[in-house]
This record gives sequence, C-alpha cells and structure tokens, in this order.
Amino acid sequence: QQQVKQSPQSLIVQKGGISIINCAYENTAFDYFPWYQQFPGKGPALLIAIRPDVSEKKEGRFTISFNKSAKQFSLHIMDSQPGDSATYFCAASISAGGTSYGKLTFGQGTILTVHP
Amino acid sequence: GAVVSQHPSRVICKSGTSVKIECRSLDFQATTMFWYRQFPKQSLMLMATSNEGSKATYEQGVEKDKFLINHASLTLSTLTVTSAHPEDSSFYICSATDRINTGELFFGEGSRLTVL
Repeated sequence: QQQVKQSPQSLIVQKGGISIINCAYENTAFDYFPWYQQFPGKGPALLIAIRPDVSEKKEGRFTISFNKSAKQFSLHIMDSQPGDSATYFCAASISAGGTSYGKLTFGQGTILTVHP
Repeated sequence: GAVVSQHPSRVICKSGTSVKIECRSLDFQATTMFWYRQFPKQSLMLMATSNEGSKATYEQGVEKDKFLINHASLTLSTLTVTSAHPEDSSFYICSATDRINTGELFFGEGSRLTVL
C-alpha cells in the first residue's frame, strides 16, 4: 500500500516536444505529491509539488495533473529542452504530522532524454 | 531557499573501516531528517528517520547496528557506516523537513561511498 508506481522507465523526446511521466499510488492517506529532478551524481531537487485539493498546478514549463479518484498524478514538461535530460522521480508522503511527516515514498524513476 | 549540506560528497575507504557522513540543515532547524540510499540507476530507498534527541527509526531490512544514526542537534544528523564492505558502496542522500516554516522537504547533494 506504500508503493508509488512510475512509468515509463525511460523516455526520449525531441526538443520542443512534450514529456509526460505518470505515477499511481495506493495509499489514500498520501497528501503531498512532489516531483524531483536528479542529475547524475547529485541529490534530487524539488521541481514542483501538488496537494490533493487541486487538480492541476503549473510552474513555468512544468505542470502536475492530479486525479484523486484514480489515485494518479502526472508531470508534463512543455517545450522540452536538452537541459531537461535527467532522471525524474515522483514521490508521495503524508504531510499532516505524526511519524510519517516528510517520509517520502519514491517512484521508480524515469530517465528522460531530450534530443536537440 | 533552504539548503541541506552533506559532507563528504565522495569517500573511498577500505573494507572493514567505518565512515561517517554528515547532514546539516544550514538555515532552518530540522527536528527530523531522513537518510536514503540509492544504487546506480535505481530509486531512492528510505533507510531511516532521524529524530533530534531520540533514537532513529529504521526501515525494515536496514541493520541499525551497521548504519548508526545520530541526530544530536536541530541542524545536524550523522550516518556512520560501520565495518563497511564493498556491498555498502552506494549513494547516500539525506533530507530534512523545514517543518516550522514551509513544511517542504529538502535534499542534500548526496555522498558517494566506495568501499574497496
């Protein structure tokens, strides 16, 4: 019930295209859904996050779509650039306090390659 | 924004020795920090939750006597890999929650441990 399933495992997109990565979760207690970007040899960096009271959040070229009933959320990268090539992880956590506060469950990761 | 610093970023040690990795929250107090382990091309796996002033909580399958965690202050947690072996070679990443201000989770840059 703690799993977060992410797909696809890898994704190749042409420059200017749209990259879409999907995640699904089981635990309905999750209430914080961040996306992280990780470059080789570096720690993950928060890209964008959403809470279940909204269905979409946009920050620049990055958009999270959230479907609470389906327990799914996705990351859309518009106008993808070669500099976006990295590994992307979705995650989920319970932010409402208690022992699980801040404890992230990560998806398996998606290696994104944007060709120039 | 909030910064989490890890040290060292890279360490090479001989089999049987112990290695200490530090995780510091630079501009916020973190009552809770998390330690993750990441093998090449894999996701981040939570090892333990580090609580300031109390014992760490370890995830199932993580040996607490091998991975010693100390969280002696509100800005510092340490992970000591005791009697390291080649199979302990991995990327260790800490995170901290700025629970008081934003509730957001921030990751360190990671520490690459290589055991010869």
